[in-house]
Amino acid sequence: GENVEQHPSTLSVQEGDSAVIKCTYSDSASNYFPWYKQELGKRPQLIIDIRSNVGEKKDQRIAVTLNKTAKHFSLHITETQPEDSAVYFCAASIDQAGTALIFGKGTTLSVSS
Amino acid sequence: DADVTQTPRNRITKTGKRIMLECSQTKGHDRMYWYRQDPGLGLRLIYYSFDVKDINKGEISDGYSVSRQAQAKFSLSLESAIPNQTALYFCATARGNQPQHFGDGTRLSIL
Repeated sequence: GENVEQHPSTLSVQEGDSAVIKCTYSDSASNYFPWYKQELGKRPQLIIDIRSNVGEKKDQRIAVTLNKTAKHFSLHITETQPEDSAVYFCAASIDQAGTALIFGKGTTLSVSS
Repeated sequence: DADVTQTPRNRITKTGKRIMLECSQTKGHDRMYWYRQDPGLGLRLIYYSFDVKDINKGEISDGYSVSRQAQAKFSLSLESAIPNQTALYFCATARGNQPQHFGDGTRLSIL
């Protein structure tokens, strides 16, 4: 079955720096890759996603890149702010419709001012 | 997101008890999911349902069962709870192949 590895498990940056979180997946049939942000005590919330027919997607300070050949995808956050501090999860789909997800174990991002 | 409601929000119970966690949604989504979250392990998929007549096992279905009573309701049961099922449980919903939306979670403690 699908396995999603996420690195690093913790990441500390200074405000204004960039942060990069990387994930690899095992099932070449996976076709949907979302990223969720979870603040302390809150529910996970989608911040950006990408489908297998696209190599890169941006939304303001956040971007995701996908390399299907290498089976890895990455989250890039530029100009980090203290409110970006949270746990970030990547995920990969395990069904053809791209809706059932296997998640990575998460990255705790700390942005210090 | 009040459109995905989980009940109860917190529950403490004893080993061997039968527990039911409920999830209801007003979004009209066809797909519903149950996950558990443990520190350092992320979110793990327990069961998922694409419609009332479709139930699928996820990564860690052993010890759990589900019921999709209606399109809007998806319940998770622990037939005989054990301490290592202590976790934060999330329900999520989606329409078709659109992104999943999560409920606020149920914190379950089994003594």
